[in-house]
Amino acid sequence: EAQVTQNPRYLITVTGKKLTVTCSQNMNHEYMSWYRQDPGLGLRQIYYSMNVEVTDKGDVPEGYKVSRKEKRNFPLILESPSPNQTSLYFCASQSSWMNTEAFFGQGTRLTVV
Amino acid sequence: QKEVEQNSGPLSVPEGAIASLNCTYSDRGSQSFFWYRQYSGKSPELIMFIYSNGDKEDGRFTAQLNKASQYVSLLIRDSQPSDSATYLCALYTGTASKLTFGTGTRLQVTL
Repeated sequence: EAQVTQNPRYLITVTGKKLTVTCSQNMNHEYMSWYRQDPGLGLRQIYYSMNVEVTDKGDVPEGYKVSRKEKRNFPLILESPSPNQTSLYFCASQSSWMNTEAFFGQGTRLTVV
Repeated sequence: QKEVEQNSGPLSVPEGAIASLNCTYSDRGSQSFFWYRQYSGKSPELIMFIYSNGDKEDGRFTAQLNKASQYVSLLIRDSQPSDSATYLCALYTGTASKLTFGTGTRLQVTL
């Protein structure tokens, strides 16, 4: 079954404690991205990757890091989480960077206290 | 002006009625348009996409695109309570290599 898998689904952490949210897709897609979703603000892109070892900032990259060492995996790293990073996070993958459908993971609800 | 604008709702329609969801966009170079449905706390799932002016039908759903008016809509016929969700409009602008999302319209289908 074609899918994008995120882990964990829920996470409560404390300010400053480094965390990683994993994302994996089994569709051999080149393009992957991370979004955060906040009430009234919609989905905003954090980082994206057009292929292995190619990553770039989206609209709201501050406080986040990503890596793309393998085509299937695209982890999101918060080196020093802060309460304003409390949000619902989605990983997405697409077959190419333009004019293609985005497939979303199940989401990760992160709370930073 | 926002790149993609949607009325946040809620839009309330009775069961069996037609729900009409609207989206306007600012970049005339926008090329492809997507409608996603998102249930509360869940991930967005694709309903339809449309590239060309006119109507595109898929079951109870019809997407309508008017590039001259910079307007895309989604019609849901015979609305069911299970259609109650937030509907996200998304598009590729002429300049950015990413999907840009509207903030969504919440639809409530009442019994």
